[in-house]
Amino acid sequence: DVKVTQSSRYLVKRTGEKVFLECVQDMDHENMFWYRQDPGLGLRLIYFSYDVKMKEKGDIPEGYSVSREKKERFSLILESASTNQTSMYLCASSFVSSRAYNSPLHFGNGTRLTVT
Amino acid sequence: RKEVEQDPGPFNVPEGATVAFNCTYSNSASQSFFWYRQDCRKEPKLLMSVYSSGNEDGRFTAQLNRASQYISLLIRDSKLSDSATYLCVVNIIKADRGSTLGRLYFGRGTQLTVWP
Repeated sequence: DVKVTQSSRYLVKRTGEKVFLECVQDMDHENMFWYRQDPGLGLRLIYFSYDVKMKEKGDIPEGYSVSREKKERFSLILESASTNQTSMYLCASSFVSSRAYNSPLHFGNGTRLTVT
Repeated sequence: RKEVEQDPGPFNVPEGATVAFNCTYSNSASQSFFWYRQDCRKEPKLLMSVYSSGNEDGRFTAQLNRASQYISLLIRDSKLSDSATYLCVVNIIKADRGSTLGRLYFGRGTQLTVWP
């Protein structure tokens, strides 16, 4: 079974703090993704990565950055946390057979971040 | 127009009922389709892929209509444990810097409650 592990289940941070959300997968997947999920808005893609040291902006990258130094690890960074970044953050991974086709995503169990 | 649209519901049905969800997608070049299930405060999990000829997994049947660009999920003999949000997911291919790039797009989900 694919295991995607997010480092924290719940996190409370103050406005202006730098926040690191860590995600590790154990299935040698090429693709990794960061989403946030908010009521009424569904899942929105923040950043994704198709390979080590590679990153692509998703639909809502503003206020976030990412790092992928190793294949199994994909970190989401909030440079200066703000209250509108309070959300559920979900990491996911998948293997890819081509750039056009995506295999199903496997999600971590999420990090519920509250910024006060 | 959103790439993937779903009726948010909620659908409230008694145990044993049959319920169907539809989902429409905007890009006729889409090649792969999935249904995910998400329990309250949990991560999304793959329920089933959707194949061109339609496919069945126990009480769940998925159908694809390429001409009308919609997919459907039918649940027969509903159980209490089927209560969840069902997410429609479509791989949409777009041109990206001279090549094609596929991305998975999520609908906002359809909420189902099965009551005793």
